[in-house]
Amino acid sequence: EVQLVESGGGLIQPGGSLRLSCAASGFSVSNNYMSWVRQAPGKGLGLEWVSIIYSGGSTYYADSVRGRFSISRDNSKNTLYLHMNSLRAEDTAMYFCARSPMARGAYDYWGQGTLVTVSS
Amino acid sequence: DIQMTQSPSTLSASVGDRVTITCRASQSVSNWLAWYQQKPGKAPKLLIYMASNLESGVPSRFSGSGSGTEFTLTISSLQPDDSATYYCQQFDSYWTFGQGTKVEIK
Repeated sequence: EVQLVESGGGLIQPGGSLRLSCAASGFSVSNNYMSWVRQAPGKGLGLEWVSIIYSGGSTYYADSVRGRFSISRDNSKNTLYLHMNSLRAEDTAMYFCARSPMARGAYDYWGQGTLVTVSS
Repeated sequence: DIQMTQSPSTLSASVGDRVTITCRASQSVSNWLAWYQQKPGKAPKLLIYMASNLESGVPSRFSGSGSGTEFTLTISSLQPDDSATYYCQQFDSYWTFGQGTKVEIK
């Protein structure tokens, strides 16, 4: 059974750093296209793609996080990571990891999310 | 960047009604489009991929159509369990979501 389980969220002060993890089971993260998608809390706030790592290792970022966030994976642990630096209030969101079986593909599996709150 | 615009933002319909949600792209995305359903406190769930393909396990009352810049998600006979927010997503150039359509049951 395919499963994605995020962890690492919490309350962090502006300017701080945090590392999110997404433990995968039932498939290999190294053979798939793994993304982070976030959703700010509150009514009417939608989904925002954050970053993706391709099976070949290429990485891409949304303009809003480029230079501050870094995506990586540990194939031996079958785990995806999001390293977040210089955090801002506007980074406050639920962070989901999601799988796509191809570069141009829909997300067929999602984790349950981990909440990041940036506040002093 | 490709912008995705959904309409309406909210709709209220009765059980058994036919419901249609529209998603428009700021430029052509061919058929690189998906639809998701999200319920409060849950992760999104894939309903439709490549604009018109039904994901395995999704009820057949859901269907998708369109190509280029205009797409629709149709629920042929609305059920109580369909109360949720629906998002379109393009994956032609990077990945962008629509702002969502909240479907309420009257």
